[in-house]
Amino acid sequence: GNSVTQMEGPVTLSEEAFLTINCTYTATGYPSLFWYVQYPGEGLQLLLKATKADDKGSNKGFEATYRKETTSFHLEKGSVQVSDSAVYFCALRSSFSGGYNKLIFGAGTRLAVHP
Amino acid sequence: DSGVTQTPKHLITATGQRVTLRCSPRSGDLSVYWYQQSLDQGLQFLIHYYNGEERAKGNILERFSAQQFPDLHSELNLSSLELGDSALYFCASSFRLAGDSEQFFGPGTRLTVL
Repeated sequence: GNSVTQMEGPVTLSEEAFLTINCTYTATGYPSLFWYVQYPGEGLQLLLKATKADDKGSNKGFEATYRKETTSFHLEKGSVQVSDSAVYFCALRSSFSGGYNKLIFGAGTRLAVHP
Repeated sequence: DSGVTQTPKHLITATGQRVTLRCSPRSGDLSVYWYQQSLDQGLQFLIHYYNGEERAKGNILERFSAQQFPDLHSELNLSSLELGDSALYFCASSFRLAGDSEQFFGPGTRLTVL
């Protein structure tokens, strides 16, 4: 079945450090891939997405590239800020109907950025 | 603000009880999804409704049921509650049934079963 595996947290960084959060997936067909962010006490917000191989999603300085050959969608940011502290979820949406738009999430990675 | 509203924000109840969680989708969205976020299971898809009809089921227990009303709001009913049902329940909405249609999440309802 479809699944998402992401690196365990917490990830603790100093402000302006480089961030990588690893995400790999297992899926049939050609899924769409997403990164969602959850700030404390809030719901999930879509951070970025990619719908086909080699697509790069980007938003707010974050980037992730859809790598079909390694079934990966790693999240990166060149210089993190304290305000980036949150939980980050990698997710996929299957290209096959039957699940329609349902999202399958990874376990989440907590990021803490210190000044 | 995603435009998706959920009530109540917090709910504390006892084992064996029944509760109803309510979700109002973004204006114009026809799809409503329910997800459960718990410490041991993570974020899991429960059920999907589109324009009043159930379209997909995930890991939803038989004690749980949902519906979507003609005004498109949705309710998730949880009965015979157990301690393990304590979790954050999210509702999300999107415009389309399938395809490239972003899901917008509400702030969630935190359920505590004592």
